[in-house]
Amino acid sequence: AQSVTQLGSHVSVSEGALVLLRCNYSSSVPPYLFWYVQYPNQGLQLLLKYTTGATLVKGINGFEAEFKKSETSFHLTKPSAHMSDAAEYFCAVSAFSGGYNKLIFGAGTRLAVHP
Amino acid sequence: AAGVIQSPRHLIKEKRETATLKCYPIPRHDTVYWYQQGPGQDPQFLISFYEKMQSDKGSIPDRFSAQQFSDYHSELNMSSLELGDSALYFCASRPGTGMINYGYTFGSGTRLTVV
Repeated sequence: AQSVTQLGSHVSVSEGALVLLRCNYSSSVPPYLFWYVQYPNQGLQLLLKYTTGATLVKGINGFEAEFKKSETSFHLTKPSAHMSDAAEYFCAVSAFSGGYNKLIFGAGTRLAVHP
Repeated sequence: AAGVIQSPRHLIKEKRETATLKCYPIPRHDTVYWYQQGPGQDPQFLISFYEKMQSDKGSIPDRFSAQQFSDYHSELNMSSLELGDSALYFCASRPGTGMINYGYTFGSGTRLTVV
């Protein structure tokens, strides 16, 4: 079975500082991995995804993530935090069972950005 | 571009009442997923449909039922509502059922409050 674990339910950074949100996955097959962002009272927006190919993937709003098979990780980073990055971030893995797919989400990490 | 439309955006019901949530997928998307996100929680998979048939089932209570119609829209019916059913309910859609190589498209959700 596939699953993801997000380390740290809350992360706080200063504006302009590096953002690092951690995600580790468990999968018996090559995983498809995703990061979603959720702003208050809004839906889930896809930030970036890894399926195959290049292990460093770039997403929207300056975020990127690197797939590291040896570490079973897919951490999300951004070089310089902006106040508008404050949101909840979810890592997700594509789970395949019975011929059908669904996304399994991690518990989420709430990012706070302070001046 | 057309997105996933959910209605209503907000719903307030009393305990033991019934609620119906609607989801209109992106045109030509034949797979629909329902997720429940409780306060401060990650989205939990409830149920999915492909070509009007249930394709997968998650942690959906027996009090809930859902279906997908001929125009691919889906409805989540919730009966005997309990306080614990208060949550944000997301619908997502995609074409097909194979490996998810681009993520879902989520609607903005329906916030259900049971009082």
